[in-house]
Amino acid sequence: DQQVKQNSPSLSVQEGRISILNCDYTNSMFDYFLWYKKYPAEGPTFLISISSIKDKNEDGRFTVFLNKSAKHLSLHIVPSQPGDSAVYFCAASAATGGFKTIFGAGTRLFVKA
Amino acid sequence: DGGITQSPKYLFRKEGQNVTLSCEQNLNHDAMYWYRQDPGQGLRLIYYSQIVNDFQKGDIAEGYSVSREKKESFPLTVTSAQKNPTAFYLCASRRREVHTGELFFGEGSRLTVL
Repeated sequence: DQQVKQNSPSLSVQEGRISILNCDYTNSMFDYFLWYKKYPAEGPTFLISISSIKDKNEDGRFTVFLNKSAKHLSLHIVPSQPGDSAVYFCAASAATGGFKTIFGAGTRLFVKA
Repeated sequence: DGGITQSPKYLFRKEGQNVTLSCEQNLNHDAMYWYRQDPGQGLRLIYYSQIVNDFQKGDIAEGYSVSREKKESFPLTVTSAQKNPTAFYLCASRRREVHTGELFFGEGSRLTVL
C-alpha cells in the first residue's frame, strides 16, 4: 500500500525553464509534506516543506503547492539549473507515532544546459 | 561540524552472516531512523527510535534488529534472516522540537551479499 506516490520516474527540462514535480498521497492524517533532493551514493538532503494547513510555501527558486482536496502536492523549480539535476523524493510525516516519514519512489530530474 | 556518520560506506557479506551498520550523530537529536533504498524505489522505513532505550518497527523490520543505548548511536544489524539484504542503507535523525518532521541523513552504507 503506497501512501505516497510519485508517478513520474523521470523528467527532463531545459535550463532556465520551470520544473514541476508531482506527488500524490492517500492518508489524510499527514501533518507535513517534505521534498528531499538526492545525488547518487549520498544521503537525501532536505529541500522544502509545507504544513497540511497551508497551500503554498516558497523558498527562493523552490515553491511547493498543496491541494488537500485532491491529495496532491507539487514542487516547482524556477528557473531550473543544471545543478538541480538529481532525484527528488516527496515525503509525508505525521506527528502521531513519532513523525514516521513515508517516502515516494522519487523522480529523477535532468536539467539540460 | 555536526552531522551523521555512517560506517562502513561499503560492506560485503557472505550469505548466512550477520552484519552491523554503524550510525553516529553529534547533532543532539533525540529521534533516529533507519531506511533502506532499493533501485527504482523510495526509502522504506526499517526501524526508528524517538528516545534512548526505545525503538519501534517500521514497515520492513523483519530480518533486522537495532539498539539505542546512547543518544548518539543507533546501530542496525542485518541478520541472516533478512532474505534480500543487498541494498543502500540510510540513517537519519530528527530534532523532536522541530514539528515539520525534517530528517537529516547520513551518507549511507551500501551492503552487498555475495
